[in-house]
Amino acid sequence: DAGVIQSPRHEVTEMGQEVTLRCKPISGHDYLFWYRQTMMRGLELLIYFNNNVPIDDSGMPEDRFSAKMPNASFSTLKIQPSEPRDSAVYFCASSLGGFDTGELFFGEGSRLTVL
Amino acid sequence: KQEVTQIPAALSVPEGENLVLNCSFTDSAIYNLQWFRQDPGKGLTSLLLIQSSQREQTSGRLNASLDKSSGRSTLYIAASQPGDSATYLCAGNTNAGKSTFGDGTTLTVKP
Repeated sequence: DAGVIQSPRHEVTEMGQEVTLRCKPISGHDYLFWYRQTMMRGLELLIYFNNNVPIDDSGMPEDRFSAKMPNASFSTLKIQPSEPRDSAVYFCASSLGGFDTGELFFGEGSRLTVL
Repeated sequence: KQEVTQIPAALSVPEGENLVLNCSFTDSAIYNLQWFRQDPGKGLTSLLLIQSSQREQTSGRLNASLDKSSGRSTLYIAASQPGDSATYLCAGNTNAGKSTFGDGTTLTVKP
């Protein structure tokens, strides 16, 4: 299995621009998670999906952030408009089963820099 | 709210030494606890997952234990190697539907 695949690996953009991050989970996994990692705040859960349905988006910082999962093999995290404080590494992870049983598998991350 | 603490933040040991990394959590009602390894600029690699009904898990030179009553988990690394140098994170998963990560312990194994 190829593992969780994220793109792009690196993104540099200017403040105010739209950013779209993409994720392909491991085939057969029914949970998908988006995390953000910064030096100041560590790893934070932004949102997670179960069978393509958003379950908890309470970690999404504000309305500028949105996430979709149109099918079992693809998810996007969009930031519009982007701000310098959004600079971070964004990770996608998937699992078979939820928090009570599933082992989390992470992608390599998308490093976002907003100038 | 679950809080996860990892002490120390950094650890340096000579090659061949056995070592223990610590993870403490405040909410004992966890479903499971997972240990990860993160290399610089990389994603997190799952090392071991311990369910709440288990006391420990082993994989090669790694052994992880879980004590829910005391709110502690340890990751034991035997015969450390320079290739073990990385940041090690633990994450506690609770019935609140959250996965809370510690800030990690950065391990350096000197040849």
